[in-house]
Amino acid sequence: ELKVEQNPLFLSMQEGKNYTIYCNYSTTSDRLYWYRQDPGKSLESLFVLLSNGAVKQEGRLMASLDTKARLSTLHITAAVHDLSATYFCAVEKGGSNYKLTFGKGTLLTVNP
Amino acid sequence: DAGVIQSPRHEVTEMGQEVTLRCKPISGHNSLFWYRQTMMRGLELLIYFNNNVPIDDSGMPEDRFSAKMPNASFSTLKIQPSEPRDSAVYFCASRPTGVTEAFFGQGTRLTVV
Repeated sequence: ELKVEQNPLFLSMQEGKNYTIYCNYSTTSDRLYWYRQDPGKSLESLFVLLSNGAVKQEGRLMASLDTKARLSTLHITAAVHDLSATYFCAVEKGGSNYKLTFGKGTLLTVNP
Repeated sequence: DAGVIQSPRHEVTEMGQEVTLRCKPISGHNSLFWYRQTMMRGLELLIYFNNNVPIDDSGMPEDRFSAKMPNASFSTLKIQPSEPRDSAVYFCASRPTGVTEAFFGQGTRLTVV
């Protein structure tokens, strides 16, 4: 069974600081997704990482994938309050099964 | 496109009652997913359809839960009878063929009292 672990689960940081969220998964996969969820809202896709070494950046967020280490990171640069949300990684087991397995999420709070 | 549309947005029902949640996927998407989100268990995949056919229902908690997809533009998730532990936010998501992300609906917040 595919397991996806995120850490930390809770992250409180000051505006302007940098930090990284980690996503480890247990079985071979080369497809990983990052989502954002605001309180009471739906999940919004942030990044799709499809190969080893893939790096995607959008604003203050950068995601990377190391399939050999079974690790993805979401790096936050110079955090701002608007980034406060819960961030999920999701891993897809390849082949004909398009099942996404989600991590438990990281609740990020950016304080002024 | 209006995105994935779910109804109702909120549902409060009494224990023992039947509950039906509805989902309209994005037009052209051939995969549909039902997820349940709770604080304790996070996001759990309940069932996955491909081309209207259920492919994986291993996440359906028990026989009280059933899901159908009679055509490419509509799916239902039914709970009968409902129990308080079914209280959660239920999300429907769809995605097109190929490697791309799933698009989520706004969710249905279900409260069973």
